[in-house]
Amino acid sequence: SQQGEEDPQALSIQEGENATMNCSYKTSINNLQWYRQNSGRGLVHLILIRSNEREKHSGRLRVTLDTSKKSSSLLITASRAADTASYFCATATRGSTLGRLYFGRGTQLTVWP
Amino acid sequence: DAGITQSPRHKVTETGTPVTLRCHQTENHRYMYWYRQDPGHGLRLIHYSYGVKDTDKGEVSDGYSVSRSKTEDFLLTLESATSSQTSVYFCAISGSRQASGNTIYFGEGSWLTVV
Repeated sequence: SQQGEEDPQALSIQEGENATMNCSYKTSINNLQWYRQNSGRGLVHLILIRSNEREKHSGRLRVTLDTSKKSSSLLITASRAADTASYFCATATRGSTLGRLYFGRGTQLTVWP
Repeated sequence: DAGITQSPRHKVTETGTPVTLRCHQTENHRYMYWYRQDPGHGLRLIHYSYGVKDTDKGEVSDGYSVSRSKTEDFLLTLESATSSQTSVYFCAISGSRQASGNTIYFGEGSWLTVV
């Protein structure tokens, strides 16, 4: 499978704590993207990191990419109850003629007030 | 929010009946996609379109067909629904190939139950 695989499958924390989710993948990539999905809603794009980048920030989000380990992490700092959602990584495979993304199964994050 | 409308949002149908899901966009994006989302499987690509009348199969296309006669509409048809097609279906759009890094916008989903 070319899918990214998120770890852990579920994460439960208190408000104010940091949440870290990991994604591992199998093939060389052009970029890796993180998406968020609230219950009963569609996916929303959060952040993209390209294969030649090691770290990106967007507000309370920090994404790292280690291409040698084929892994990425998403850190949400000072989490809020509103961050409760599923988070998915998606990889854009290098050399893919379809140019499509492959989504993982997601991490369910619950932030307790 | 991106201008994507899926219809119907919820549908219950009987095994063997045809079902059509519609995705309508107001963004004039070239690429449109149909995904299904199932527990334990994440999102899986069914079919996609890279222009009017230009479509291709994704990884789980068996039992599904699509049509795109206008830029703004992408239809997904289940010719003879089966219980294994009970799922949540998401339409998505993008202005360029997914791997290029441009943002992909998702619709709100269509919940389909086949009984």
